[in-house]
Amino acid sequence: SAVISQKPSRDICQRGTSLTIQCQVDSQVTMMFWYRQQPGQSLTLIATANQGSEATYESGFVIDKFPISRPNLTFSTLTVSNMSPEDSSIYLCSVDAGALYGYTFGSGTRLTVV
Amino acid sequence: DAKTTQPTSMDCAEGRAANLPCNHSTISGNEYVYWYRQIHSQGPQYIIHGLKNNETNEMASLIITEDRKSSTLILPHATLRDTAVYYCIVSGRGSTLGRLYFGRGTQLTVWP
Repeated sequence: SAVISQKPSRDICQRGTSLTIQCQVDSQVTMMFWYRQQPGQSLTLIATANQGSEATYESGFVIDKFPISRPNLTFSTLTVSNMSPEDSSIYLCSVDAGALYGYTFGSGTRLTVV
Repeated sequence: DAKTTQPTSMDCAEGRAANLPCNHSTISGNEYVYWYRQIHSQGPQYIIHGLKNNETNEMASLIITEDRKSSTLILPHATLRDTAVYYCIVSGRGSTLGRLYFGRGTQLTVWP
């Protein structure tokens, strides 16, 4: 199955700043997905990122706040812009690992905004 | 939005089978049932998925009712390391391909 590397694994940021999270996959994948997990909550899908097209955002998430890049079939970035303490969450990326393995998740980026 | 209903919590004795139920009464014909688990804020781990037939792999078995409105994940011999939140997710293969909408899941606690 696909192996995902996410960077950074954790960060503490000042409010009003932005953080870019990287997701690298060891194989080419068509779609990559970004999720957010707020403290004590379940995962929420932010957006779907396809190479060569604009990301598709879920209800409640906008491009200005969470811009996404997908420059090639193995890499994507999610930026959390103009952060506030409410953005403190774990951010995870996911890819299709094939019919036998479902969708694989990275280990996540734990973001704390102070 | 999540299309599944699961009990909030369950427990199981180590070595016994853990049977985790899930209701998905509004599932569509082209939607699969996926099971994932998450251990203490790690990334979710894929367990198994199925469409309408029962499935088994090295981790678990998935039993889907004939009307596909519910399913059961079976961990045949639970260990302490199986303590986790288990998520049952319904996901399609069309425009929503790959989009997983997580509910609250079931907190499974395996006790010695």
